Amino acid sequence: DSGVTQTPKHLITATGQRVTLRCSPRSGDLSVYWYQQSLDQGLQFLIQYYNGEERAKGNILERFSAQQFPDLHSELNLSSLELGDSALYFCASSGTGDEGPVTGELFFGEGSRLTVL
Amino acid sequence: AQSVTQLGSHVSVSEGALVLLRCNYSSSVPPYLFWYVQYPNQGLQLLLKYTTGATLVKGINGFEAEFKKSETSFHLTKPSAHMSDAAEYFCAVSDRFGNEKLTFGTGTRLTIIP
Repeated sequence: DSGVTQTPKHLITATGQRVTLRCSPRSGDLSVYWYQQSLDQGLQFLIQYYNGEERAKGNILERFSAQQFPDLHSELNLSSLELGDSALYFCASSGTGDEGPVTGELFFGEGSRLTVL
Repeated sequence: AQSVTQLGSHVSVSEGALVLLRCNYSSSVPPYLFWYVQYPNQGLQLLLKYTTGATLVKGINGFEAEFKKSETSFHLTKPSAHMSDAAEYFCAVSDRFGNEKLTFGTGTRLTIIP
């Protein structure tokens, strides 16, 4: 058990719809990362938040957005869903001190599997 | 920009045989290097990491990897494969200056033949 919790584990929805994926990081971790894993694209970094602020952005579509709340949990919002958005979405967190990221080690949740029909 | 290349999307070895999973990296700065494992229906779990110091690093479950700067490689090995090693393995890189955004390779699926 990594200590990172993601909900829901599975989600089936239709094209054009909007979904929200939720992540609770390990206790004390300030950084949250979102990754998308699909068969054709592999594991792609989407976005990182550190203590409530966006720190880094990767290959995240404009239809997708994320935020990190004061209690450090994070949500990934996916809108106007397309068939190609079907994937496994991972959240990860990292142990950080006040000076920022240190170790480079991420702790992954079990993922949310999104199926768009 | 950093990147990693994993040679071989599928590797099969017999139980008890040597496991060798290949990873080459590209980085403009000294890298941190990682191997993660993903078991079916689970998230990724860290196997081992190289940051500084000894270039041969040991991880969990008997795996080890050697950082070879001259070859820009970080291959993962295990002397004797076990059935429980069947999983997908990902090599990853981040830069040395506190950036925990990992860039992952495309993964290698390891199959163990009884």
